[in-house]
Amino acid sequence: AQKITQTQPGMFVQEKEAVTLDCTYDTSDPSYGLFWYKQPSSGEMIFLIYQGSYDQQNATEGRYSLNFQKARKSANLVISASQLGDSAMYFCAMRETYSGAGSYQLTFGKGTKLSVIP
Amino acid sequence: ETGVTQSPTHLIKTRGQQVTLRCSSQSGHNTVSWYQQALGQGPQFIFQYYREEENGRGNFPPRFSGLQFPNYSSELNVNALELDDSALYLCASSSATEVQETQYFGPGTRLLVL
Repeated sequence: AQKITQTQPGMFVQEKEAVTLDCTYDTSDPSYGLFWYKQPSSGEMIFLIYQGSYDQQNATEGRYSLNFQKARKSANLVISASQLGDSAMYFCAMRETYSGAGSYQLTFGKGTKLSVIP
Repeated sequence: ETGVTQSPTHLIKTRGQQVTLRCSSQSGHNTVSWYQQALGQGPQFIFQYYREEENGRGNFPPRFSGLQFPNYSSELNVNALELDDSALYLCASSSATEVQETQYFGPGTRLLVL
């Protein structure tokens, strides 16, 4: 079973509108972290936002917010007031505790390609 | 910018050759992770180095090996290159003392195996 599922291969949004990118996850680890990264065509993965499994409130970072629904195992990214520069691939990733001390590998979804239309 | 650098940016090799990719971690970070990203896919975890020791490994064969140096920079070595090794190789650094242990990525090395 996939640990991270991103069901939207591609999304379009009008400039200045809000958009939600979906992410569901699967884990039996009670302590985990969820990350969203942006990957422009240049290739670099840019960290956007983090949500810990024990965090009581949804994370927010500027125009990015995370709609965390723990019971549904979903962690959707909301981008408000979309800009042309937001056009990129977006990846949801999960960090679970690994058996080795200090090792926290990230498991990524397949990504969603967001295109912002002027 | 994250402060994580990788070299080279692009590389072309032929099947059977060996390749070494390099990564300098962000200042203050003691952990380096390597990922392989095939075209159209999400990154796949190769391995992680912490305090110069391999500290976790994904589903990659032993011909993928690495090193971490006292200054926390790292190398990824791939022997006996195969066509399927063509991918973007991403290095990420993090700090084991940070609660979130957010991994910050470098710009990647694009490897093409012919």
